[in-house]
Amino acid sequence: EVQLVQSGAEVKKPGESLQISCKGSGYNFNNFWIGWVRQKPGKGLEWMGNIYPGDSDIRDSPSFRGQVTLSADKSISTAFLQWSSLRASDTAMYYCARRARGSSGVTFFDFWGPGTQVTVSS
Amino acid sequence: QSVLTQPPSVSAAPGQKVTIYCSGSTSNLGINSVAWYQQLPGAAPKLLIYDNDKRPSDIPDRFSGSKSGASATLGITGLQTGDEADYYCGTWDSNLSGSVFGTGTKVTVL
Repeated sequence: EVQLVQSGAEVKKPGESLQISCKGSGYNFNNFWIGWVRQKPGKGLEWMGNIYPGDSDIRDSPSFRGQVTLSADKSISTAFLQWSSLRASDTAMYYCARRARGSSGVTFFDFWGPGTQVTVSS
Repeated sequence: QSVLTQPPSVSAAPGQKVTIYCSGSTSNLGINSVAWYQQLPGAAPKLLIYDNDKRPSDIPDRFSGSKSGASATLGITGLQTGDEADYYCGTWDSNLSGSVFGTGTKVTVL
């Protein structure tokens, strides 16, 4: 059974750093891209970027470039999302998801983690 | 700043059918297939449809999808109270070189 387990909720102050994680199991973690998706309170889904754990290749959204860092440690089947200096506007739910490719060649996210709530407040 | 447009809400009585539209452009839905996701209240999104009209094995055939040009449609028949959720379309945008999602549609069962 494919599972993505994410780290627990975080409450941080502006300017603090943070790393959240996403551990995959039930499949070959190295062979599938992992995507990160942000959802602000009461808002829609925003794609942040993808990472390929096999070689840590990254495809990131221009909207998030320079704001967050994607990384992965294939030895522990875990992907990470990191902030060096949080802002109140980073308050959101963050989902990781496994990216698959259909017969059309277009990718989609077939399994999602439960999400990590990040709250940034002074 | 979603590039795919959906109606904010749709509603229908139990047992009825709802249709959700997703409008894109030539750089996304016009050339790439669509996926649909269901997000139940307080839960993570779940894949409903991929490759325009394919369902994962655990999704009932009450859910169907189609695409024509730069627009896509999700249909839900035999509406149930458990279908109350937000629904998002998604695809790849070749100009942005990234995944994009729709604005989301809230389905209410009257």
